Amino acid sequence: AQSVTQPDARVTVSEGASLQLRCKYSYFGTPYLFWYVQYPRQGLQLLLKYYPGDPVVQGVNGFEAEFSKSNSSFHLRKASVHWSDWAVYFCAVRTQVVGQLTFGRGTRLQVYA
Amino acid sequence: DMKVTQMPRYLIKRMGENVLLECGQDMSHETMYWYRQDPGLGLQLIYISYDVDSNSEGDIPKGYRVSRKKREHFSLILDSAKTNQTSVYFCASSFVWGLSYEQYFGPGTRLTVL
Repeated sequence: AQSVTQPDARVTVSEGASLQLRCKYSYFGTPYLFWYVQYPRQGLQLLLKYYPGDPVVQGVNGFEAEFSKSNSSFHLRKASVHWSDWAVYFCAVRTQVVGQLTFGRGTRLQVYA
Repeated sequence: DMKVTQMPRYLIKRMGENVLLECGQDMSHETMYWYRQDPGLGLQLIYISYDVDSNSEGDIPKGYRVSRKKREHFSLILDSAKTNQTSVYFCASSFVWGLSYEQYFGPGTRLTVL
């Protein structure tokens, strides 16, 4: 069955530093992958999505992610973090069941000055 | 403007009371979802609806039921709420008949069952 693992429950970085949030997936076949962000007291918003093709995908607000089939990974990156990026980030994979995504447990990003 | 709305945003109920959570979307998506979110557990799918009166159980349907009589509305019902149903509930919608399973989420309903 498909699954998503986000190994870091919490990541803390200083403003202006680079960021990588890790995501490992398990999927038989070619996966469709997503990163969502959840700001405090809000619903989830799509940051970026990967459909088979270019392994590096660009998202909103300077985020990008790189798909690696050999490593079963879809890590999220940002070159310079801003305090407004403080949020919870979820990685998700499309499942074999029509319409369903499986979500990881999320990584809480904290940004300090 | 593409939007998923949820009502109410906050709700406090006593154990044994009935609960109705409502969700609407203006994107004509055929598929809608109800999730619950608990600390450290991420999102758990309760029910998925593929269109009007076409609902399927998700991973944790026990204690919940749903109703979808119009494409733009999807309701979650808790008959005789329990304290362990205290959670944040999210509704989402999506087109699924194609490549995109991109889901659009509402702002959530924070339910407390005392």
